[in-house]
Amino acid sequence: DAGVIQSPRHEVTEMGQEVTLRCKPISGHNSLFWYRQTMMRGLELLIYFNNNVPIDDSGMPEDRFSAKMPNASFSTLKIQPSEPRDSAVYFCASNGGLQETQYFGPGTRLLVL
Amino acid sequence: SQKIEQNSEALNIQEGKTATLTCNYTNYSPAYLQWYRQDPGRGPVFLLLIRENEKEKRKERLKVTFDTTLKQSLFHITASQPADSATYLCAGMDSSYKLIFGSGTRLLVRP
Repeated sequence: DAGVIQSPRHEVTEMGQEVTLRCKPISGHNSLFWYRQTMMRGLELLIYFNNNVPIDDSGMPEDRFSAKMPNASFSTLKIQPSEPRDSAVYFCASNGGLQETQYFGPGTRLLVL
Repeated sequence: SQKIEQNSEALNIQEGKTATLTCNYTNYSPAYLQWYRQDPGRGPVFLLLIRENEKEKRKERLKVTFDTTLKQSLFHITASQPADSATYLCAGMDSSYKLIFGSGTRLLVRP
């Protein structure tokens, strides 16, 4: 199994631009999680889906952030417009059930100038 | 708010010694705790899970304890090796199935 796949691995953009991060979970997993990691705040859960349905988005920082999961094998996290404080590493993780261990992707390192 | 706290200072030990990392939780009672390893530039990798009704769990050179009285988990690596150098994250699941992560403790094992 290829594991959780994220793209792009690195993204540099200018303030105000739209950023789209992509994730392909492990085949057969029905839960997907988006996290953000920074030195100051550590690893924070932004949103998670179960069977493609958003269950909890209370971690999404503000309306500039949105996430979708149109099918079981693909999810996107979009930031529009981006700001320098959004600079972080964004991880996607998946598992086969909400109480199971999570498998993380390699992350997308985002830098907003 | 629900919190997982780990020692932010790096732990520096000699190869062959036992490394002990601490995780404390506040304002909630996680049904279980998980420990992950994270290497620079990579995503966290799951190591061990311990449930609240388990006192201790072992896997090879790793051992985790869960003390609900102290609200604490200890993570031990015996016979440590330089390859064990990494950041170790503790996470507790809350009642809505969300994992709350600590900020991690960096371990450095000197040869």
